[in-house]
Amino acid sequence: QKEVEQDPGPLSVPEGAIVSLNCTYSNSAFQYFMWYRQYSRKGPELLMYTYSSGNKEDGRFTAQVDKSSKYISLFIRDSQPSDSATYLCATRMGNTPLVFGKGTRLSVIA
Amino acid sequence: NAGVTQTPKFQVLKTGQSMTLQCAQDMNHNSMYWYRQDPGMGLRLIYYSASEGTTDKGEVPNGYNVSRLNKREFSLRLESAAPSQTSVYFCASSALGQQFFGPGTRLTVL
Repeated sequence: QKEVEQDPGPLSVPEGAIVSLNCTYSNSAFQYFMWYRQYSRKGPELLMYTYSSGNKEDGRFTAQVDKSSKYISLFIRDSQPSDSATYLCATRMGNTPLVFGKGTRLSVIA
Repeated sequence: NAGVTQTPKFQVLKTGQSMTLQCAQDMNHNSMYWYRQDPGMGLRLIYYSASEGTTDKGEVPNGYNVSRLNKREFSLRLESAAPSQTSVYFCASSALGQQFFGPGTRLTVL
């Protein structure tokens, strides 16, 4: 079993829709959780960073962590065509390197 | 602040040739990383350096060497390039748990 599982998609939604992106992880020792956005032919950029269970909101983006279920989610409200990208979840424990999901490709259709 | 910079942006090599990918960060981060990204495989860690003077192998180190030249710079060397090393290479640096990526180097080995 891979440490972080993420559905690769692709996921296609109409503009304005609420998008839900999800990952599961296997190691309960993971403490830090991140979401990265990667546009085509660009490097990943850090979108959300959270340490604890619960929700963290930043504008149209909400990151949710459920440590009891080992489940992390990213919600995008009022999705825009500019949100079309690949979204990668990542997690780590202590100072160890990040463990990434393989990414979900999202297309928001105008 | 340039963040994380990588050179070159593109490179084509013949099998057996050698080259060094350069990475520099201006954020005073202790930790630096080299990843490769291939379709369907996600981001895979090649080597990392937790601090100046230390380097450690990641998931896919074979065929690569690294040098942490100073706190700012972390280079990746391919001694004898193989077609299997055709990929997009990303450098990253991190501090306080947050990791930031460079724009990538697209390498083709013929």
